[in-house]
Amino acid sequence: EDQVTQSPEALRLQEGESSSLNCSYTVSGLRGLFWYRQDPGKGPEFLFTLYSAGEEKEKERLKATLTKKESFLHITAPKPEDSATYLCALGEDSNYQLIWGAGTKLIIKP
Amino acid sequence: ETGVTQTPRHLVMGMTNKKSLKCEQHLGHNAMYWYKQSAKKPLELMFVYSLEERVENNSVPSRFSPECPNSSHLFLHLHTLQPEDSALYLCASSQASGGGELFFGEGSRLTVL
Repeated sequence: EDQVTQSPEALRLQEGESSSLNCSYTVSGLRGLFWYRQDPGKGPEFLFTLYSAGEEKEKERLKATLTKKESFLHITAPKPEDSATYLCALGEDSNYQLIWGAGTKLIIKP
Repeated sequence: ETGVTQTPRHLVMGMTNKKSLKCEQHLGHNAMYWYKQSAKKPLELMFVYSLEERVENNSVPSRFSPECPNSSHLFLHLHTLQPEDSALYLCASSQASGGGELFFGEGSRLTVL
């Protein structure tokens, strides 16, 4: 059964303290691994798509990487405005539905 | 207006009421979705429409009834809901069904008393 697990559930960092969020997955055939950001009271906002192991994508202080079993969202020198819940979602190649993780709540203290 | 807009943003209803959630997308997309988001749970896909035809209904109780009159508008009709239906209801759109790049609205926060 296809599955997505995100860890940690919550992460508190000081401003400038780099870290990584994890998205572990099991899938029979990967169509894509997707990262979203969700601010309180708002809908998720698309960040990245990763299609194959070894692929990396970057946007400002965020960098997403993919292996055959997990994806990492690395955040470098974060700022308070990076505080949000980060969601990953798995696309399986024989099913157009996405399988969502429960998210990691990231809090950056000034 | 741009993107995906949802109304109302907040809704409180009793278990015997009938209400509707509305979603409109201004992106020219062909697929629209209803998701349910509960605290600390993954997003739950409820309905998918592609070119105004319903292509997926994830075993959602009949007290939720979707309607897609055209590719830009999506409704979720609610009747005789239960308190456990209280959640954030998110509408999304994508270029085609099966796309991973979804554009979400800000959601309708529903409270059932």
